[in-house]
Amino acid sequence: QKEVEQNSGPLSVPEGAIASLNCTYSDRGSQSFFWYRQYSGKSPELIMFIYSNGDKEDGRFTAQLNKASQYVSLLIRDSQPSDSATYLCAVGSQGNLIFGKGTKLSVKP
Amino acid sequence: KAGVTQTPRYLIKTRGQQVTLSCSPISGHRSVSWYQQTPGQGLQFLFEYFSETQRNKGNFPGRFSGRQFSNSRSEMNVSTLELGDSALYLCASSPGTGGHLNTEAFFGQGTRLTVV
Repeated sequence: QKEVEQNSGPLSVPEGAIASLNCTYSDRGSQSFFWYRQYSGKSPELIMFIYSNGDKEDGRFTAQLNKASQYVSLLIRDSQPSDSATYLCAVGSQGNLIFGKGTKLSVKP
Repeated sequence: KAGVTQTPRYLIKTRGQQVTLSCSPISGHRSVSWYQQTPGQGLQFLFEYFSETQRNKGNFPGRFSGRQFSNSRSEMNVSTLELGDSALYLCASSPGTGGHLNTEAFFGQGTRLTVV
């Protein structure tokens, strides 16, 4: 059973801080990795994808991938209250996208 | 560019009935995937269609089925509804041409199904 694990949280950070969200996956053959943000009552919104080991930066977001450790993370710099949402990690595995259950992030003003 | 459109947005059905949900992907996208989202289980993959063919399937019973039309629009059908089928059903659109790599998927607003 291919699995994607995330800490459910809630993760609470003060405004302006760095939020660090983590995800591990079980299928060593996975090749594509995605982070989605889901606001309450809304559908998931793609914010980052990463295919290669290392870091990928997009504005305040940085995705980090370590295939040897089967670990992917998302850093949010200068966190804002509007970043408060559930963050879903998704891993592409043999044609399927497997989602973690999400980490709830709360950014306090 | 129009996004992913799902209809209807809300449905209430009775146990034993069947339901059909519809999804229109982003123009030019050929892959449509369906997911079930519940508070307890999170997002679970149902199936993926590409060029009118089911390309991948999750671990759901045969009561859940789907199809895709030549214009890439997709429908999902659930027969003999059970109370546990109450969930948010999400459709995701992607180009689908990434080979073994999943290209990024964009979600519709979902259909909230309530079975009573």
